[in-house]
Amino acid sequence: DTAVSQTPKYLVTQMGNDKSIKCEQNLGHDTMYWYKQDSKKFLKIMFSYNNKELIINETVPNRFSPKSPDKAHLNLHINSLELGDSAVYFCASSQHSGYTFGSGTRLTVV
Amino acid sequence: SQQGEEDPQALSIQEGENATMNCSYKTSINNLQWYRQNSGRGLVHLILIRSNEREKHSGRLRVTLDTSKKSSSLLITASRAADTASYFCATDDSGGSNYKLTFGKGTLLTVNP
Repeated sequence: DTAVSQTPKYLVTQMGNDKSIKCEQNLGHDTMYWYKQDSKKFLKIMFSYNNKELIINETVPNRFSPKSPDKAHLNLHINSLELGDSAVYFCASSQHSGYTFGSGTRLTVV
Repeated sequence: SQQGEEDPQALSIQEGENATMNCSYKTSINNLQWYRQNSGRGLVHLILIRSNEREKHSGRLRVTLDTSKKSSSLLITASRAADTASYFCATDDSGGSNYKLTFGKGTLLTVNP
């Protein structure tokens, strides 16, 4: 199936831990993104990459480090997790027009 | 800062009725897009309207754009229970490069059978 797939779907972890979320798209899109959706459902861009190059870093703390090994993958590594990092993280990709979103990773920091 | 603001925040209607959701934004845009999010799921792209377009149709969806008022509306005709979801408008204000969409807070639509 052509899609944006991200793993894991759910992630529960303790404060201070380091975790990664992986994202892969097989749509041949050049641009990939990470968005964060908070408890009030507000979606905010974190990063966008075009052909493996960082285009936008929307004042995200340094604890968040995206990595794009190739244009089909954009992973998100988070160091020293904090309670406020609890949210749903969406990966997405696009090519010229509308985005295709992954199904989200619900991160809960306890 | 937030760009799009949807109105109303929540809307409850009966099956068969039409649903209208509005979106206002603040800056110049290249295009405006509408997305649907079912509970606990990802976002699904519904329709894109460019800044030089005024109206666009897709099936039961009709989108209008008024750049002078910096507003857009999404009309869903003959609603169905399956249309129950949150609807978000998003603006591409990155000069058309599409590197960044700014989302509104969304309208939660409930269609009662």
